[in-house]
Amino acid sequence: DAGVIQSPRHEVTEMGQEVTLRCKPISGHDYLFWYRQTMMRGLELLIYFNNNVPIDDSGMPEDRFSAKMPNASFSTLKIQPSEPRDSAVYFCASSFERGGHLNQPQHFGDGTRLSIL
Amino acid sequence: SQKIEQNSEALNIQEGKTATLTCNYTNYSPAYLQWYRQDPGRGPVFLLLIRENEKEKRKERLKVTFDTTLKQSLFHITASQPADSATYLCALSNFGNEKLTFGTGTRLTIIP
Repeated sequence: DAGVIQSPRHEVTEMGQEVTLRCKPISGHDYLFWYRQTMMRGLELLIYFNNNVPIDDSGMPEDRFSAKMPNASFSTLKIQPSEPRDSAVYFCASSFERGGHLNQPQHFGDGTRLSIL
Repeated sequence: SQKIEQNSEALNIQEGKTATLTCNYTNYSPAYLQWYRQDPGRGPVFLLLIRENEKEKRKERLKVTFDTTLKQSLFHITASQPADSATYLCALSNFGNEKLTFGTGTRLTIIP
């Protein structure tokens, strides 16, 4: 089975540019998560969706960040305008509610390494 | 505020010995605790999940304990191998809430 697929794997862009990160979750999974990982702050949850609906976006740092999930097989995280402090590795993860049981393991993609110059 | 601490940033263990990693938390009453492994340049990979009413969970050479009184989880790798070298992350969540809060991780190196 294909795992969570993220693109691009690496992105280098100049400050002020719009950045779009993409994620394809595992087929059949009904939860999708966006995380950011830095040396200073570790792995932080930005936002998560259930059945394509945003449930908790309290981790989104500011209005420059937005996330969408137009359908069950695709999600985007946008940063506009980007700043050097946004440089990090961004991970997407998915999980599914097994038989009504929540808090299931999350399956992560290999991330997008973002560098803002 | 909620805080999750993993015992040390780095841990070196001789091959064949048992590696023990610690996850402590404060200002938190999690219902679930998970352990993940992360290799350089890769995303975290799920290893084990333990519930608040479970004291211990095992999977092959891995063992996890969960002490809600001490607010601590221990993660053991027995008969450690160089291939076990990676960063290990603990993560906590509340019942009915999919939001995971991760610790900062421990980088484990198994020395041949």
